[in-house]
Amino acid sequence: AQSVTQPDIHITVSEGASLELRCNYSYGATPYLFWYVQSPGQGLQLLLKYFSGDTLVQGIKGFEAEFKRSQSSFNLRKPSVHWSDAAEYFCAVGYGNKLVFGAGTILRVKS
Amino acid sequence: GAGVSQSPRYKVTKRGQDVTLRCDPISSHATLYWYQQALGQGPEFLTYFNYEAQPDKSGLPSDRFSAERPEGSISTLTIQRTEQRDSAMYRCASSLGFGDTYEQFFGPGTRLTVL
Repeated sequence: AQSVTQPDIHITVSEGASLELRCNYSYGATPYLFWYVQSPGQGLQLLLKYFSGDTLVQGIKGFEAEFKRSQSSFNLRKPSVHWSDAAEYFCAVGYGNKLVFGAGTILRVKS
Repeated sequence: GAGVSQSPRYKVTKRGQDVTLRCDPISSHATLYWYQQALGQGPEFLTYFNYEAQPDKSGLPSDRFSAERPEGSISTLTIQRTEQRDSAMYRCASSLGFGDTYEQFFGPGTRLTVL
């Protein structure tokens, strides 16, 4: 069955530090992969997506993610975190017109 | 509309009551999805519509859950005889077309609490 694992429930980083959020997926075919961000009181917003081609994808707000087929991973990165990045982040895989989400990682940013 | 809207934003009900949640998708979008998000979890797929058609109900947890989209725009999700385990955030999303390559735009959700 298709599944997404986000191993870190909470992560705390200092403002200005780099960030990496981990995502591993289980999917038999070539996956469609997504990262969403959820801010309090807001809907989920798409940060970036991978369908095919270049394995390093750029998204909004300075985020990027790298697809590694050999590791079944799609980790999200940002070189310098801003206080406004504090939110919950969800990795998802597209499967048959539905999204299968991980449990999310809550990012806290300390000044 | 400019974005996906959902109402009510919060709903508190007593066990055994019926509730109906509403989703108003982006006006040009053909496809509409419902997800359930329990506390501390990611959203889980319930069902989707392609215009009025409802090709996939596989995620609905029981026959107490039903959804409609009679005119291919606004959709409602109804939970009959609510139970405490139904307490969750219910999220609606819409996309321009059908398929994994179309971005799903999410609404703010309805927080349902069953006492």
